[in-house]
Amino acid sequence: AQKVTQAQTEISVVEKEDVTLDCVYETRDTTYYLFWYKQPPSGELVFLIRRNSFDEQNEISGRYSWNFQKSTSSFNFTITASQVVDSAVYFCALSETDKLIFGTGTRLQVFP
Amino acid sequence: EAGVTQFPSHSVIEKGQTVTLRCDPISGHDNLYWYRRVMGKEIKFLLHFVKESKQDESGMPNNRFLAERTGGTYSTLKVQPAELEDSGVYFCASRLAGGSYNEQFFGPGTRLTVL
Repeated sequence: AQKVTQAQTEISVVEKEDVTLDCVYETRDTTYYLFWYKQPPSGELVFLIRRNSFDEQNEISGRYSWNFQKSTSSFNFTITASQVVDSAVYFCALSETDKLIFGTGTRLQVFP
Repeated sequence: EAGVTQFPSHSVIEKGQTVTLRCDPISGHDNLYWYRRVMGKEIKFLLHFVKESKQDESGMPNNRFLAERTGGTYSTLKVQPAELEDSGVYFCASRLAGGSYNEQFFGPGTRLTVL
């Protein structure tokens, strides 16, 4: 069965520190998609990235970067030089056909 | 362009009462999804509409939950009668038809508290 594990329940860092959020997934599908969503205090889920299973290239977008490794079934998310505005709950998700399988989320608190 | 909207943002009801949640998807999005997050746990899929048809309702917890999407526009999710374990945040998401990926746009959620 498909499953997403985010072992880190909560992480606290001080501004400007780098932080990595871990995501490990399980699937028997050969074609799948992985996602990261951000849930700020306002409550909505904000799409951050989508990666398909055939594209293992790492991606960088500003201070955000993602490391996809099929060999370890991981899709980790790193924030470089964290800022207070990065404080949120971050969810990793896996697509199963047309529905998303989410992890339990990691709450990131960035202190000034 | 307006995003996915949900109403109400919060609802507090007593056990045994009925509550109806509403979701308005992004205009033109045929696919509409309901998800739920119970406190501290993962966000779980409830069901998926394609236009007005239920494509997948495998995540609906029991027959106290009824989802509708008349006319293929907005959707409602009714809980009747509500139980304590129904408390959580209910998210709605929508997606364009077709496409080779599953980018779903989420609404702000409805926080339901059953006392």
